[in-house]
Amino acid sequence: AQSVTQPDIHITVSEGASLELRCNYSYGATPYLFWYVQSPGQGLQLLLKYFSGDTLVQGIKGFEAEFKRSQSSFNLRKPSVHWSDAAEYFCAVGDSGGSNYKLTFGKGTLLTVNP
Amino acid sequence: DVKVTQSSRYLVKRTGEKVFLECVQDMDHENMFWYRQDPGLGLRLIYFSYDVKMKEKGDIPEGYSVSREKKERFSLILESASTNQTSMYLCASRGTQGLETQYFGPGTRLLVL
Repeated sequence: AQSVTQPDIHITVSEGASLELRCNYSYGATPYLFWYVQSPGQGLQLLLKYFSGDTLVQGIKGFEAEFKRSQSSFNLRKPSVHWSDAAEYFCAVGDSGGSNYKLTFGKGTLLTVNP
Repeated sequence: DVKVTQSSRYLVKRTGEKVFLECVQDMDHENMFWYRQDPGLGLRLIYFSYDVKMKEKGDIPEGYSVSREKKERFSLILESASTNQTSMYLCASRGTQGLETQYFGPGTRLLVL
């Protein structure tokens, strides 16, 4: 069964600083990989996804992530964080069940942004 | 835009009550999902459905059941609510045209007293 590890429970950065959130996955085949963001009191919003092809994927809100098969990682990055980026971030892996894939989520990383 | 709506944002119920959580999506999606979200545990899949009247157990189905009588609606049922079912419940839906994005509702925060 697939699994996802987000090693950092809580990260604090200053506004304008760069950000990297770590995600490691365990899955036997080529995974489907996702990053979601959850603002306080809200549902989850998709930031970006990787299915195949270019290993550097661009998402919404200026985020990007890089798939590294050799490291089983899919880290999320942003060059300059805004106060509105404060939220909880979830990495997820989908099994290769075609259109019926199921998602397994990490436990999340809470991002605090200092002014 | 895809819209996934959940019938309540907040619910307070008593132990032993039967609880219904409703989810409706407006994009004619085949797949629908129920998750619970707890601090430090992330999202865990309770049940999912690939089509009307079809359901499959997820990772933590104990104490829950589901119903999908219409394509757009997926209900989560707590037959006899217990305090350990106090949680945030998130519904999601997804189409089957290729590898589509999964969309989430805003969540229902359930408190069982």
